[in-house]
Amino acid sequence: AQSVTQPDIHITVSEGASLELRCNYSYGATPYLFWYVQSPGQGLQLLLKYFSGDTLVQGIKGFEAEFKRSQSSFNLRKPSVHWSDAAEYFCAVGGNTGKLIFGQGTTLQVKP
Amino acid sequence: DTGVSQNPRHKITKRGQNVTFRCDPISEHNRLYWYRQTLGQGPEFLTYFQNEAQLEKSRLLSDRFSAERPKGSFSTLEIQRTEQGDSAMYLCASSLATDNTEAFFGQGTRLTVV
Repeated sequence: AQSVTQPDIHITVSEGASLELRCNYSYGATPYLFWYVQSPGQGLQLLLKYFSGDTLVQGIKGFEAEFKRSQSSFNLRKPSVHWSDAAEYFCAVGGNTGKLIFGQGTTLQVKP
Repeated sequence: DTGVSQNPRHKITKRGQNVTFRCDPISEHNRLYWYRQTLGQGPEFLTYFQNEAQLEKSRLLSDRFSAERPKGSFSTLEIQRTEQGDSAMYLCASSLATDNTEAFFGQGTRLTVV
């Protein structure tokens, strides 16, 4: 079965601290992997994507993610969180059709 | 290019009424997707088009739901005889039909069935 698991529903970090959001996937073919961010009542904005090649990918807003095939994981990281990063984060997996399977999301709260 | 546009942004309707949402994709994008997102959940795939052809429909898309993309440009999603369980955010996305391309999402239409 194709699925995405984001084990952490809520995460709270202090401003300036590092962040790691976990994502595990199950997909029958070669996966395309994505992280999206969503602010309340808004659509989804792409943070970064992995199709092939270098397993460490850089995205917007200082985010990066590492694809680990052996662990079926695509964790999102940021070295220093800003208050404006508070939002909901979604990991997604897809293939050649572009259809995406999303995880449940992780809500990030940033403490001043 | 203003990105993916969805109208209306919000819709409140009474149970049993029909509603229709519109999505205008990025102009050169030939693929268009519809997703539904309920509170506290990730988006769930409903259907997608390549040009005017509807290539896949989810089991979530009951026979009360119909989507069209008549000229391969904008798309409409209609829900007939709405139920309270249809209350959700309906998201549209578009992409190119090539490898290694991502989908761009609209702001969504928030449907509330009362």
